[in-house]
Amino acid sequence: AQSVTQPDIHITVSEGASLELRCNYSYGATPYLFWYVQSPGQGLQLLLKYFSGDTLVQGIKGFEAEFKRSQSSFNLRKPSVHWSDAAEYFCAVETDSSYKLIFGSGTRLLVRP
Amino acid sequence: DSGVTQTPKHLITATGQRVTLRCSPRSGDLSVYWYQQSLDQGLQFLIQYYNGEERAKGNILERFSAQQFPDLHSELNLSSLELGDSALYFCASSDRLVGGELFFGEGSRLTVL
Repeated sequence: AQSVTQPDIHITVSEGASLELRCNYSYGATPYLFWYVQSPGQGLQLLLKYFSGDTLVQGIKGFEAEFKRSQSSFNLRKPSVHWSDAAEYFCAVETDSSYKLIFGSGTRLLVRP
Repeated sequence: DSGVTQTPKHLITATGQRVTLRCSPRSGDLSVYWYQQSLDQGLQFLIQYYNGEERAKGNILERFSAQQFPDLHSELNLSSLELGDSALYFCASSDRLVGGELFFGEGSRLTVL
């Protein structure tokens, strides 16, 4: 069964510092991979997605993610974090055969001024 | 504004009762997903409908049921409610069966007393 692991429950970074949020998936074939962000009291919003092709994908708000097949990873990065990036970030995976978009447990990002 | 409307936003009820949560997807979207978000379980996939047909089922309890109507709105019915059913229930819609961006509503917060 497909699964998604986000090993970091909380991450705290200083404003202006770089950020990397980890995501590992478990599935035999190449899945569709997503990163979503949830601000307090709101629904989730798509940051970026990977289906195929270039393994480095660009998203909104200056985020990017790199798909590494050998490591079954899809880590999210941002070179310089802004205070408004404080939120919860979810990695998600979907496959052609399952039709289920499965989310990881999320990583809560705190930004120090 | 994602274009997905969920009602009610908040609902307080007692154990043993039954409630119905309603979702209107974005105009033109055929896929509707339901998720349950709680502190201990995270974001759990419940069920997906595509153009009126159930396409995928997750960890949805037998006490829960859903349907998608011809006008594409969807309802999630929760019966014989227990304290543990207290959670935020999200609806999301997509224009595709698989691999599409999900647009989330703001959720319906259910409190079971």
